Amino acid sequence: NAGVTQTPKFRVLKTGQSMTLLCAQDMNHEYMYWYRQDPGMGLRLIHYSVGEGTTAKGEVPDGYNVSRLKKQNFLLGLESAAPSQTSVYFCASSYSNRQGEPQHFGDGTRLSIL
Amino acid sequence: AQSVTQLDSQVPVFEEAPVELRCNYSSSVSVYLFWYVQYPNQGLQLLLKYLSGSTLVKGINGFEAEFNKSQTSFHLRKPSVHISDTAEYFCAVRAGGYQKVTFGTGTKLQVIP
Repeated sequence: NAGVTQTPKFRVLKTGQSMTLLCAQDMNHEYMYWYRQDPGMGLRLIHYSVGEGTTAKGEVPDGYNVSRLKKQNFLLGLESAAPSQTSVYFCASSYSNRQGEPQHFGDGTRLSIL
Repeated sequence: AQSVTQLDSQVPVFEEAPVELRCNYSSSVSVYLFWYVQYPNQGLQLLLKYLSGSTLVKGINGFEAEFNKSQTSFHLRKPSVHISDTAEYFCAVRAGGYQKVTFGTGTKLQVIP
């Protein structure tokens, strides 16, 4: 069972470059999320999606865009990378929005912006 | 609004000793509480969750947590830790009717042989 798969696992970018992080889930989950994890700050929600074709902003959306063209995929884009976006990015998914529903996480993408 | 506080950023403990990781939350409505564990270079995995009912919740790997509404706490405990428990632990809260989950800043548990 693959669960939530993130691609790539590591990436180094130069300031100003663009890239797309891919998240794929095979659990038929409706909800998908992108977080960033920084030391001492826990996980902060960037964007999320409540279903195919929908996206919404989280706590820290600036500098990022997302798309959910297919139910199983949630893409996170950086149009013009900045050093402040150096972080570990996690994708998560959940079956529903019921309050007790846990989220399932990928293994993360470690992104460095030089 | 909802928030969660993990006061201890790091907790060192000797192997086979008990441990308690503290979590306090803030919310004006009923809450659902979670503990996740993150092993090095991996994503978060659910340890346990509190939805309603019994205030003592048992999870995987011998962990348990107690929901205390009057103290707005959801502390995680294990009576005897193993080296393999070395990881970072995150408390999370979702308030009733609120879509998003708020995570704490994490507590790194270091088990010393």
